[in-house]
Amino acid sequence: GESVGLHLPTLSVQEGDNSIINCAYSNSASDYFIWYKQESGKGPQFIIDIRSNMDKRQGQRVTVLLNKTVKHLSLQIAATQPGDSAVYFCAENRKVSKCGNEKLTFGTGTRLTIIP
Amino acid sequence: GAGVSQSPSNKVTEKGKDVELRCDPISGHTALYWYRQSLGQGLEFLIYFQGNSAPDKSGLPSDRFSAERTGGSVSTLTIQRTQQEDSAVYLCASSVETDTQYFGPGTRLTVL
Repeated sequence: GESVGLHLPTLSVQEGDNSIINCAYSNSASDYFIWYKQESGKGPQFIIDIRSNMDKRQGQRVTVLLNKTVKHLSLQIAATQPGDSAVYFCAENRKVSKCGNEKLTFGTGTRLTIIP
Repeated sequence: GAGVSQSPSNKVTEKGKDVELRCDPISGHTALYWYRQSLGQGLEFLIYFQGNSAPDKSGLPSDRFSAERTGGSVSTLTIQRTQQEDSAVYLCASSVETDTQYFGPGTRLTVL
């Protein structure tokens, strides 16, 4: 079902260190996953995505890992910077009808704070 | 290029009044989505338009909420007889088919 927001979990990381944000998804039929970053007062911004036929994908300073066995997704941010402070959402995209309509379901989100 | 735009950026209204929120998607994007985000919380799906198909309204919380998309482009989300619990940020996103969604900056609605 839909992920309804609760109080956001938080993660504090020292500037320069690496951070890992975790997300559990619910539907084994999901075939596409996305991480979004949302800074205060702004809409979510696409960071990186991964399809279910992959288990790892790298971007600039970010890596997404997908473990389909345990339905777990993680976002690794290397050498964190103050600008990385934001709320991070994972999302899964899955078919919700025989017609192929797909729906993006968002996780609750994690608030990452980078400590200077 | 231009991203998703939304207007107004902020809207303050009195309980019981109707409001209209507008979304201009990225040109060429066939899919358009509305979400609601309460303070400090995640994203709640409201409604989804895809091309000329009937919209997926499964996330609308009550019949006071409605949305339309004219000419396959601009969308308007209407909330009738607003209540204080409608206060939230309303986010619009668009995508090419059902690919990655790109979000607008949102409209912050405050119902007094």
